[in-house]
Amino acid sequence: SQKIEQNSEALNIQEGKTATLTCNYTNYSPAYLQWYRQDPGRGPVFLLLIRENEKEKRKERLKVTFDTTLKQSLFHITASQPADSATYLCALDTAASGYSTLTFGKGTMLLVSP
Amino acid sequence: EPEVTQTPSHQVTQMGQEVILRCVPISNHLYFYWYRQILGQKVEFLVSFYNNEISEKSEIFDDQFSVERPDGSNFTLKIRSTKLEDSAMYFCASRVDREQPQHFGDGTRLSIL
Repeated sequence: SQKIEQNSEALNIQEGKTATLTCNYTNYSPAYLQWYRQDPGRGPVFLLLIRENEKEKRKERLKVTFDTTLKQSLFHITASQPADSATYLCALDTAASGYSTLTFGKGTMLLVSP
Repeated sequence: EPEVTQTPSHQVTQMGQEVILRCVPISNHLYFYWYRQILGQKVEFLVSFYNNEISEKSEIFDDQFSVERPDGSNFTLKIRSTKLEDSAMYFCASRVDREQPQHFGDGTRLSIL
């Protein structure tokens, strides 16, 4: 069966450290993978998109890697801040027809302590 | 920065009633989506819409649901004869083309009593 797993429900780290979140999937062949941030009671906010032929993408303090052999993506936040505390969602483009529907993982709640 | 807007932010309805959730996608976007998130669970795809027709729908999107783009700016989700299990956050999303990410609104919290 198809699965998307984000390695932990919650991750606590200290301010200034690097947070690393994992997304593993089985029985999908996504064209690309996206990471979103979700705050309580709000909609997902797009952060980064990485395509199947890309190994790594960066944006400011964020970095995403995508290994289609391992079927895994890693999401890094360097120099983390308390304002980074939120739930981070991994989403795969899984549409059969090519019209791109997103299948989400359950998310990892990140808490950055001062 | 342009954003997807959804109204109302919270809707309370009696079971069996019809509800219409409204969305204004980003103006130059061509692909539109509805997702839902039951409290404590993951975001789930409902339906995608392109060129004035449904392009894909999930098993959740049964005959109880319908979508419409009544004019050049609005995109609506109608739920007929609501059930208790329809209580959830409903998110609208849009994107400009197939290579770009989806952008989400802040959702409508639907509570069925």
